[in-house]
Amino acid sequence: QVQLQESGPGLVKPSQTLSLTCTVSGGSISSGSYYWSWIRQPAGKGLEWIGHIYTSGSTKYNPSLKSRATISVDTSKNQFSLNLSSVTAADTAVYYCASSSWLRGRFDPWGQGTLVTVSS
Amino acid sequence: NFMLTQPHSVSESPGKTVTISCTGSSGSIASNYVQWYQQRPGSAPTTVIYEDNQRPSGVPDRFSGSIDSSSNSASLTISGLKTEDEADYYCQSYDSSTYVVFGGGTKLTVL
Repeated sequence: QVQLQESGPGLVKPSQTLSLTCTVSGGSISSGSYYWSWIRQPAGKGLEWIGHIYTSGSTKYNPSLKSRATISVDTSKNQFSLNLSSVTAADTAVYYCASSSWLRGRFDPWGQGTLVTVSS
Repeated sequence: NFMLTQPHSVSESPGKTVTISCTGSSGSIASNYVQWYQQRPGSAPTTVIYEDNQRPSGVPDRFSGSIDSSSNSASLTISGLKTEDEADYYCQSYDSSTYVVFGGGTKLTVL
């Protein structure tokens, strides 16, 4: 059964780039047809989809992030990553990685989430 | 932009039935599948309903989902409420461009 685990710095300075990695275990990131997503949740608030990368490498992003997000995949490490540039305090959140088996499918599984705080 | 609107909170007594609504802002909510996620404090969301009314294995049949095209809304119904059902619930679907959309979440209190 596929499992996901986020990793990365828990503290990022304003205006810098937030970088997170999601490690996939129990299956190959390049096999099958999966969408690998990043989703975030500010404390006490709801869920916000950031974007996804498809097995083929194509990407799609939430327009609200105004092109600050970049998602990439490293098949050799069975990982996919998120870079979010020009961060502000509003980007402070728990960041989750998740997968879905088709374009309009459910998110399952999810990683446990990792808290990223933007502060100087 | 397509949005999903949920009540901020609902509460009900153990053993009773509660329904959480999720209303689409435009178009037809029936055009794309709706998922429902349960999130307990400090944990990642888990699926309780997918593709409008399907239950993942391990989710009790006390959980059910439906679509009402006349009100452009989806509903999550939990019957025989248990204290362990107390959590935040999020609906999720897609807009016409297949961007992911989440509802704002509903806090269920079982008291």
